[in-house]
Amino acid sequence: SQQGEEDPQALSIQEGENATMNCSYKTSINNLQWYRQNSGRGLVHLILIRSNEREKHSGRLRVTLDTSKKSSSLLITASRAADTASYFCATDKTSGSEKLVFGKGTKLTVNP
Amino acid sequence: DADVTQTPRNRITKTGKRIMLECSQTKGHDRMYWYRQDPGLGLRLIYYSFDVKDINKGEISDGYSVSRQAQAKFSLSLESAIPNQTALYFCATSDFPTGNYGYTFGSGTRLTVV
Repeated sequence: SQQGEEDPQALSIQEGENATMNCSYKTSINNLQWYRQNSGRGLVHLILIRSNEREKHSGRLRVTLDTSKKSSSLLITASRAADTASYFCATDKTSGSEKLVFGKGTKLTVNP
Repeated sequence: DADVTQTPRNRITKTGKRIMLECSQTKGHDRMYWYRQDPGLGLRLIYYSFDVKDINKGEISDGYSVSRQAQAKFSLSLESAIPNQTALYFCATSDFPTGNYGYTFGSGTRLTVV
């Protein structure tokens, strides 16, 4: 069963614009992670935010977490064509045994 | 060499055949996972292993089995392949609880069952 659901399913923007993707989840979590997947390739870990954190930055990435709303957002600033990929959120449930449950992903297209 | 290596990269097999997908890692991580990815369904966990003697079923383990031959090697077998097992299969490792918990994925095996 999917724990996280990304929104939107697909997003198309122009280079230089910001891209925002959202993730909602159902149960309490230890942490939430974001991954990127280039077409048909393996996923790459981008950033992890713990349940007691509200915001985290890494380069052009900004992640927020609202545990009261069970939601997270990933913001990519000043997007580039190379950011074109699918982005997945993954959660580690507090009741689980540290295995990530992935959402279905947001497909981001950045047009040159 | 990649940190997590999956072989083969692509495989076409016939219905009813037994097939093994292999995964090896140089990360030194104890925890290893097998996921499958289907279009529109995201990644779903098949099996996971926290060490050589600790193997657990994921949400979709029916029709699959695994073997953890060593800390570095974790193989996935399809006992009798069927067409709806056509998917992209990923192996991943984790440095939990000592590191930053992010998973390292292999490049995937694209399996087609005809």
